[in-house]
Amino acid sequence: AQSVTQPDIHITVSEGASLELRCNYSYGATPYLFWYVQSPGQGLQLLLKYFSGDTLVQGIKGFEAEFKRSQSSFNLRKPSVHWSDAAEYFCATSGTYKYIFGTGTRLKVLA
Amino acid sequence: KAGVTQTPRYLIKTRGQQVTLSCSPISGHRSVSWYQQTPGQGLQFLFEYFSETQRNKGNFPGRFSGRQFSNSRSEMNVSTLELGDSALYLCASSPTGSNEQYFGPGTRLTVT
Repeated sequence: AQSVTQPDIHITVSEGASLELRCNYSYGATPYLFWYVQSPGQGLQLLLKYFSGDTLVQGIKGFEAEFKRSQSSFNLRKPSVHWSDAAEYFCATSGTYKYIFGTGTRLKVLA
Repeated sequence: KAGVTQTPRYLIKTRGQQVTLSCSPISGHRSVSWYQQTPGQGLQFLFEYFSETQRNKGNFPGRFSGRQFSNSRSEMNVSTLELGDSALYLCASSPTGSNEQYFGPGTRLTVT
């Protein structure tokens, strides 16, 4: 069965530092993969998506993610974190007419 | 285009009551999905509708039901509310033929 795993529940970084959030997927074929961000009390906003092609995907707000089939990973990165990036981040894959979400990584940014 | 809208945004109900939540998708989107988000279980898929037909359903009891209207607006209903139904209920819409989902702000349901 398809699944995604986010190994880190909480991550704390200093403002200006680089960020990498991990996501591992389980699926036989090439999956559709997504990263979403959720601010407190809000819905989910799509950061970026991977369907096929170039394995380095650029998204909004300066985020990028790299699809690595050999590692079954789709990690989210940002070179310099801003205080406004503090939120919860979800990795997801597309199943049959539904999304399967990871458990989320809560990002805290220190001033 | 206006985004996905959900009403009401906040709701407080008592155990045993029923509740109906509404979702208006982005104009032109015919697929609507519903998810329940809780701190313990995370984001769980409830059901998906396309052109008034339910195409997929998650692992929830029959107390959870939904429907979609001809204008693609969708409602979900929870009957005989339990304390554990307290959650953020998120609706998402998708354009036809796309796997991208666009989420609304959610309805925060509190059951007391």
